[in-house]
Amino acid sequence: GENVEQHPSTLSVQEGDSAVIKCTYSDSASNYFPWYKQELGKGPQLIIDIRSNVGEKKDQRIAVTLNKTAKHFSLHITETQPEDSAVYFCAASSSGYSTLTFGKGTMLLVSP
Amino acid sequence: NAGVTQTPKFRILKIGQSMTLQCAQDMNHNYMYWYRQDPGMGLKLIYYSVGAGITDKGEVPNGYNVSRSTTEDFPLRLELAAPSQTSVYFCASSYSRATGEPQHFGDGTRLSIL
Repeated sequence: GENVEQHPSTLSVQEGDSAVIKCTYSDSASNYFPWYKQELGKGPQLIIDIRSNVGEKKDQRIAVTLNKTAKHFSLHITETQPEDSAVYFCAASSSGYSTLTFGKGTMLLVSP
Repeated sequence: NAGVTQTPKFRILKIGQSMTLQCAQDMNHNYMYWYRQDPGMGLKLIYYSVGAGITDKGEVPNGYNVSRSTTEDFPLRLELAAPSQTSVYFCASSYSRATGEPQHFGDGTRLSIL
């Protein structure tokens, strides 16, 4: 089955800095890679996703990049703000499968 | 629009007791999922359903049972609660299995077994 590794487990940055979270996956058939943000006491919320036919996708201050050859993908947050503080999860899924495999999460702390 | 609703939000059980975690969605989604989240371990899939009357095991199904009698509801049952089942449980739903179809999560049930 699919295995998703996520690094780092914790990340502390100053407000205004950039933050990068990296994930690797094992199944070369995986072709959908969503990122979820989980705030304290809440369920995960989808913030951005990318399909395997795309190398990069941006949405305002967040972007995701995908390297299919190396089987890794990354989340980039620019101009971080205190409200970006949360736990972020990456995930992977294969075409035809209805399930996602999640990474273990990254706790991002943005200090004012 | 309520989305995915989970009840209860918190519960404390004694070892050996049973309970049902409720999950309901109002988005007419066909697919529903149950995950457990343990500190530092991410989300592990317990069971999922692709439609009413159809369920399948995920990665960690032991000690749990599910049923799906309607499109809206997907309850998770613990028959003999064990300390290892102390966790936060999340229910999610999605419209289809098409690539890129996002899963929508509820806010979780925090369960402690003592």
